[in-house]
Amino acid sequence: GAVVSQHPSRVICKSGTSVKIECRSLDFQATTMFWYRQFPKQSLMLMATSNEGSKATYEQGVEKDKFLINHASLTLSTLTVTSAHPEDSSFYICSARDPAGGPFSTDTQYFGPGTRLTVL
Amino acid sequence: EDKVVQSPLSLVVHEGDTVTLNCSYEVTNFRSLLWYKQEKKAPTFLFMLTSSGIEKKSGRLSSILDKKELSSILNITATQTGDSAIYLCAAHSGAGSYQLTFGKGTKLSVIP
Repeated sequence: GAVVSQHPSRVICKSGTSVKIECRSLDFQATTMFWYRQFPKQSLMLMATSNEGSKATYEQGVEKDKFLINHASLTLSTLTVTSAHPEDSSFYICSARDPAGGPFSTDTQYFGPGTRLTVL
Repeated sequence: EDKVVQSPLSLVVHEGDTVTLNCSYEVTNFRSLLWYKQEKKAPTFLFMLTSSGIEKKSGRLSSILDKKELSSILNITATQTGDSAIYLCAAHSGAGSYQLTFGKGTKLSVIP
């Protein structure tokens, strides 16, 4: 079954509002979670690495004040898109690293089902 | 519940070998199947398959979808050490709730 969930799966909001997306690891405690954005032609861009109890590490070009990431517990990371604009409309995916290793040792990441954000 | 299963979980081959990675899916409102190669920062998109029986090729990689069997394979010929990675398969389902269901991946190790 699913080991990483995201909520909501789909959200439509007005320009200027903030939207929070949750990512939960269901079967394990994830000290590290990752946030991705899917672009046209299906490419995934890593936005940030979220570590439990510390500040997220953002990739170059990703505005940390725009995309607020909080990893308050070992099973939950949140991404808040602040003052959303139409250009923020995208598909956001999270993944969680299983510290116990899983089948690939420390490489194992489990992906959530994604959240479709549409900003009107 | 939507499900994507990849096999094998892990594979070790020698350079020059040909490998076949498998992906089976059970999703509602299936739209397409995606293959990614994950090495470091983010999974790299390889293929998107929507039609059954049509092979997509990119260099030494090729992939095909079988909608009747609800499965797809990814072939890599003449493997190189640079092909070592985790290969992810994801099923895209639509009809209102756009969703990607990822498999757990196949770890491919190519040894010289």
